[in-house]
Amino acid sequence: NAGVTQTPKFQVLKTGQSMTLQCAQDMNHEYMSWYRQDPGMGLRLIHYSVGAGITDQGEVPNGYNVSRSTTEDFPLRLLSAAPSQTSVYFCASSPRLWEGLYEQYFGPGTRLTVT
Amino acid sequence: AQSVTQLDSHVSVSEGTPVLLRCNYSSSYSPSLFWYVQHPNKGLQLLLKYTSAATLVKGINGFEAEFKKSETSFHLTKPSAHMSDAAEYFCVVSNQAGTALIFGKGTTLSVSS
Repeated sequence: NAGVTQTPKFQVLKTGQSMTLQCAQDMNHEYMSWYRQDPGMGLRLIHYSVGAGITDQGEVPNGYNVSRSTTEDFPLRLLSAAPSQTSVYFCASSPRLWEGLYEQYFGPGTRLTVT
Repeated sequence: AQSVTQLDSHVSVSEGTPVLLRCNYSSSYSPSLFWYVQHPNKGLQLLLKYTSAATLVKGINGFEAEFKKSETSFHLTKPSAHMSDAAEYFCVVSNQAGTALIFGKGTTLSVSS
């Protein structure tokens, strides 16, 4: 198993550009999520999905869209990039809608810079 | 609302000495608690988790944590630090619905020889 994969590893965008961060998992996990990591802030939840066709907002959803058309993929779209979205983005997955019983597996991250 | 507070943003120890990383949590229900580690420019790895079973939880690489409900604490310890333990450590609590992890701001552990 490749686990959770993310592409690209690095990306530089200009303000106003749009892009999609890709996330895929090959473990047949129901639950997937996106976090952003900023210095001194820990990780904060952007969006999550409990299964194909079902998504919901996390703590910091503004400026981001998600969709979940398959179990394996959970892309994160930046509609109009802003410098405040400069961050490291992590995708995570877990076997099911968990109650703390299941480990979340994190991808390697995407480092995004918006100029 | 649930929250975690990591009491030290940076901890420095010498190789071979004990490690203590402190975490307090706030929760209106019986929480699931975790410690994750992040090595430089890497993803996150689960060290250990508490899910209302034994209050002393053993994790990987010799780390352990004790859940103390009366003190609302979940401190991470290791008897003897190794150079490879230098990393950022996050104390994490799940929300009640189980749909999100709530991260502390992290503690950077430095280990000197």
